[in-house]
Amino acid sequence: AQSVAQPEDQVNVAEGNPLTVKCTYSVSGNPYLFWYVQYPNRGLQFLLKYITGDNLVKGSYGFEAEFNKSQTSFHLKKPSALVSDSALYFCAVRDATGTASKLTFGTGTRLQVTL
Amino acid sequence: SAVISQKPSRDICQRGTSLTIQCQVDSQVTMMFWYRQQPGQSLTLIATANQGSEATYESGFVIDKFPISRPNLTFSTLTVSNMSPEDSSIYLCSVPKGLGITPTEAFFGQGTRLTVV
Repeated sequence: AQSVAQPEDQVNVAEGNPLTVKCTYSVSGNPYLFWYVQYPNRGLQFLLKYITGDNLVKGSYGFEAEFNKSQTSFHLKKPSALVSDSALYFCAVRDATGTASKLTFGTGTRLQVTL
Repeated sequence: SAVISQKPSRDICQRGTSLTIQCQVDSQVTMMFWYRQQPGQSLTLIATANQGSEATYESGFVIDKFPISRPNLTFSTLTVSNMSPEDSSIYLCSVPKGLGITPTEAFFGQGTRLTVV
């Protein structure tokens, strides 16, 4: 079975500071990893993904994530946070050997960026 | 990117009644997924809706409670039957980018916020 852990319910950051939202995963095979963002009263929006290749992947709105196989982590990062980044962030995983395009989501981390 | 329209966007329903949620996609897709997001919790997959065959339900979800239709490659409905307050959630429709089971990202509808009173 595949699973995702987001250890922090909330992350607070001052605007202009770097941010990190943590994610660890567990799959039986190679992982396909994703980050999604959910703004209030809106659906999930795709941010970035890791399938293969470079461990550092870049995505939308200046976000990036680093895949670390030894630590089974896929932390989301941004060098300089904006107030508009405040939202709910979900990490998701899919087993590369899976037979269906099903995602397993973490519990979400609420990012609060303040002035 | 696929455009997904979900209806209704929100509803308040009486317990014991049923609500049907519609999901329309602007392109043909092989699989459509229905998720539930309970208050303060993550997304949980309810079922996979396949065109031309019965939906595949995840553990803990049954067809009698969540019947699904998939009449064509661009449309699906999820019905929440005999509702109770515990069914109050956001229900989301999702489709994978691209065809088949290739590991690409998924697109999500805006969700249907259901409150059962």
